[in-house]
Amino acid sequence: EMVLTQSPVTLSLSPGERATLSCRASQSVGSSLSWYQQKPGQPPRLLIYDVSNRATGIPARFSGSGSGTDFTLTISSLEPEDFAIYYCHQRRNWPLTFGQGTRLEIK
Amino acid sequence: QVQLVESGGGVVQPGRSLRLSCEGSGFSFNKYGFHWVRQAPGQGLEWVAMISYDASNKYYADSVKGRFTISRDNTDGTLFLQMNSLRPEDTAVYYCAKGAEHFYDSSPLDTWGQGTLVTVSS
Repeated sequence: EMVLTQSPVTLSLSPGERATLSCRASQSVGSSLSWYQQKPGQPPRLLIYDVSNRATGIPARFSGSGSGTDFTLTISSLEPEDFAIYYCHQRRNWPLTFGQGTRLEIK
Repeated sequence: QVQLVESGGGVVQPGRSLRLSCEGSGFSFNKYGFHWVRQAPGQGLEWVAMISYDASNKYYADSVKGRFTISRDNTDGTLFLQMNSLRPEDTAVYYCAKGAEHFYDSSPLDTWGQGTLVTVSS
């Protein structure tokens, strides 16, 4: 099973700051890496797919990068609504797996 | 609009069974693969199972293999998860999710339901 390790576990930042979230895979996922945002009491929402493609309706402040085993989600300037939990997800190998999540909290 | 609505959750004793449903609307249900993803209370996301658009392929997490069965009814636009031999560690909110790409088994999950809570407890 492919393991995805996200860091940091918790990230404390202020609105307007830049957020950088990492996801490392135990083996190559190629470009089959997605990012999801989840707010309390809500289902996850697809943000980024195939490493760097924004899903429909996702603001341009969200961007993804990386290749192979190391990936990054960047939020260029945090808005109040961006404070949530973020998960990376690989669909390269079965079983599909998620990272354990990074909680982005207001400092 | 594109929508998924789960139902069937509840409280069940260990060892018993439960069947979850997920109704899709606003899109061509029979063109997409679907997944079940669960989230234990206060925990992260765990992928559970996937079924291809025509039900020819099914995949499962090791934690549920042999106990859970994913199926679909394309005439009704409904996805199912039959859960047998339930354990306390199966307690979670269960989400159904739609694959983003026509006919692909593995594609990003672009639409999620609101989830249904399953509690396994005596």
